[in-house]
Amino acid sequence: AQSVTQLDSQVPVFEEAPVELRCNYSSSVSVYLFWYVQYPNQGLQLLLKYLSGSTLVKGINGFEAEFNKSQTSFHLRKPSVHISDTAEYFCAVSPLTGGFKTIFGAGTRLFVKA
Amino acid sequence: KAGVTQTPRYLIKTRGQQVTLSCSPISGHRSVSWYQQTPGQGLQFLFEYFSETQRNKGNFPGRFSGRQFSNSRSEMNVSTLELGDSALYLCASSSLQAGGGTDTQYFGPGTRLTVL
Repeated sequence: AQSVTQLDSQVPVFEEAPVELRCNYSSSVSVYLFWYVQYPNQGLQLLLKYLSGSTLVKGINGFEAEFNKSQTSFHLRKPSVHISDTAEYFCAVSPLTGGFKTIFGAGTRLFVKA
Repeated sequence: KAGVTQTPRYLIKTRGQQVTLSCSPISGHRSVSWYQQTPGQGLQFLFEYFSETQRNKGNFPGRFSGRQFSNSRSEMNVSTLELGDSALYLCASSSLQAGGGTDTQYFGPGTRLTVL
């Protein structure tokens, strides 16, 4: 079984400041790791994913995440946020084989203030 | 390419009724997954279909069912609606060929179901 814990339900930050959204996961099998973003009244959009290889993954919109196997974490970072980054962010895992059975965290609402 | 489309976008039903939601995946995609999103439970996996076969299933009661057609379009059905079924139902498609999450899932805008 897998579970995902997003450690912050809300993160307020000023525009142009850096931000980190934290995610820990637990799984009895190997998994792929994902970060998705959801803007109001829209579906989810993939920001980035970790499959294997380099533990630092770069995604769209200037976001990046670092996979830490020993701490079972996959934190999302952005060096300088914009007002348009205000949205809900979801960390997720899915098993390596057998198709999609994605397990999501509860989400972190990022609020960027001017 | 057109994205994932879901119909209808909004739906209001009363308790005890049944409802069918539709999802048209991106052309060429054979995997379709369904998720329920609520403020209390967050995003929960319902089921995944691949080539007309249910490949994975989440922990939902039997009132929730789905199917996939030969053109990869998928429907999900909820019978005997309860107030707690009010949610945003999201569909996602992928070109996944065989197992794993290496392919990207593309999400539709969702169908917002309100049960009165």
